[in-house]
Amino acid sequence: QITLREAGPTLVKPTQTLTLTCTFSGFSLTTTGVSVAWIRQPPGKALEWLALLYWDDDKRYSPSLRDRLTITKDTSGNRVVLTLTNVDPVDTATYYCAHSPYFDILRPFFDFWGQGTLVIVSS
Amino acid sequence: SSELTQDPAVSVALGQTVRITCQGDSLTTYYATWYQQKPGQAPLLVFYGVDNRPSGIPDRFSGSTSGNTASLTITAAQAEDEADYYCSSRDSSSHNLLFGAGTKLTVL
Repeated sequence: QITLREAGPTLVKPTQTLTLTCTFSGFSLTTTGVSVAWIRQPPGKALEWLALLYWDDDKRYSPSLRDRLTITKDTSGNRVVLTLTNVDPVDTATYYCAHSPYFDILRPFFDFWGQGTLVIVSS
Repeated sequence: SSELTQDPAVSVALGQTVRITCQGDSLTTYYATWYQQKPGQAPLLVFYGVDNRPSGIPDRFSGSTSGNTASLTITAAQAEDEADYYCSSRDSSSHNLLFGAGTKLTVL
């Protein structure tokens, strides 16, 4: 059974760095094809893809946030960490991590999602 | 970069069929993936690829593509289908992921 759970601060001040952790179980990020993504959703707005970490440690970032984002695999092997630097109130959102079971360039999809964690950026 | 365009809102009478569309140039190369999201919940994968419906998703959900437009069709819509629906695909130039702005489905 695959599960993912996001964790991080609820409140962050502008200009600070946000660090979020996705702890997962039921799969290995070393299995060929597997990836974990971070996706966010501002209150009342649409989903926005942020970053993707592949089984082979390849990483992809949203072009609009590339300079501020870092996605890494924790040494424990079952956590993926996302950092977002220099946060602003527009970064207020629910942040989700999600699992993809195999790489398919034509049909990207995420079959399991965490419950999400709300992050508020405010002074 | 590419965009995926969805109608903001669609309504359907209970038991009738509704089509939710997603338009974008990247859909001539990549398939659309569809997620359902109910208030306060995480998105749920409901359809992807040519004919892929995850386990547990009712067969009243189906997908198709014609040209640069992908569609999610719900046949005999039920009250529990009322939700926001998001399409997703890749950007045709960068291969990065994209989401549409979502369609709010109301079942009357």
